[in-house]
Order: sequence, then C-alpha cells, then structure tokens
Amino acid sequence: NAGVMQNPRHLVRRRGQEARLRCSPMKGHSHVYWYRQLPEEGLKFMVYLQKENIIDESGMPKERFSAEFPKEGPSILRIQQVVRGDSAAYFCASSPRRGDRETQYFGPGTRLLVL
Amino acid sequence: GESVGLHLPTLSVQEGDNSIINCAYSNSASDYFIWYKQESGKGPQFIIDIRSNMDKRQGQRVTVLLNKTVKHLSLQIAATQPGDSAVYFCAENLGKLIFGQGTELSVKP
Repeated sequence: NAGVMQNPRHLVRRRGQEARLRCSPMKGHSHVYWYRQLPEEGLKFMVYLQKENIIDESGMPKERFSAEFPKEGPSILRIQQVVRGDSAAYFCASSPRRGDRETQYFGPGTRLLVL
Repeated sequence: GESVGLHLPTLSVQEGDNSIINCAYSNSASDYFIWYKQESGKGPQFIIDIRSNMDKRQGQRVTVLLNKTVKHLSLQIAATQPGDSAVYFCAENLGKLIFGQGTELSVKP
C-alpha cells in the first residue's frame, strides 16, 4: 500500500511565477491536509480538504494561495506570483476519516525555492 | 488558545541511554495527541499517539505519557540508537494538527 505521494519533490521558481504542488493521498483516504514548514520551524496547518470540498482553510494566506481536491486526481496546492517568503517545505497528509479522530500520515514534502 | 510547545530545542544522549522528550499544551479540551519523528529532508513519520482517556501508551521502544492535570506529555525512547537521531514533534489533533517547534535528538555513539 503506497503511502502519501507528493510531487515534485523539489521545485524552483522565480519571483512572480506560479507553483503547483500535487498530493496523492494514501489509498482509501479521502481527507487531505496541507502544512507548511519554514526553515528551522515546526509545521503550520494551511488547509483541510475532502473530495471536492474545502473544510477548513483557516491557515491559508488570504491572497495568492489556493487548494483543491477534485473528484478525480490529486490534491493541488497552488501559489500564484510566488515571493521569496514562500520558500519552504510543503507537506501533505491524509487520513481515512475526519482528522480529529484519526492519525494523519505525511508525504515526503515538496521543497519550494523561490529565487 | 491553540498552542503546543516543547521544553527543550535540543537533546543529546549517549547510545543505549533512554531519552525523554517533553511537550506542553494549552488547550484543556484537547483529547488526542500524536508524536512524529522527522529526519532531515523527509516528512514527519508517525511514532505513537494517545487519547485523553489514557495516561500511558507503549509501543516498540517508545512510551508516551499524558498528564492532563498539568497539560503535559512526554515521549520516552528506550535504549536510544543512532537511527533515532531526528527532530521530534508533538502535535495536538484538533482536526488540523497543531505542532510544537520540535526537539532535535542527537545520539552519540
């Protein structure tokens, strides 16, 4: 049973470009969470999605960031017009049911570097 | 408020010794906690979890203790090995995970 998969593992963008990060949850998991880890810091919650629905986006920056989890295909975290401060590791986690009753399992992350 | 904090940012132990990593939380209504291990360049890896109806839970070489009175939990690693070197995070599960900053465990051979 494959774990949570994320791609790309490393992404380099210039300021002003768009970054698209993809996450495929574990098989049988319909709940996806995105977290951001800045250098030398802990992980910070960004957004929680179920298939076709955003459940909690309280951790998402108000501008330039969006997330989706379509009926078919991976979850996408999209960052428009990236700035240097967006450089971080972005982790996706999944769970089979609502997260507060379930362990969340993490993918390997996407490391975004904005030049 | 929602916050989870760790007492020590670094911990250095001798191989074979036991390690204890501590964590405090502030939300008295929290009822589910998870410990994760993160090695350099990797994602957090689940170690062990505990719910508030328990005071102690044991896994393979690891034990988590929960003291709800003082809102404190700890992770004990028995016979620490070089492969245990990593950053350890406690997380409060509120649907979203609230992480502390992490404790870096270094194991000396």
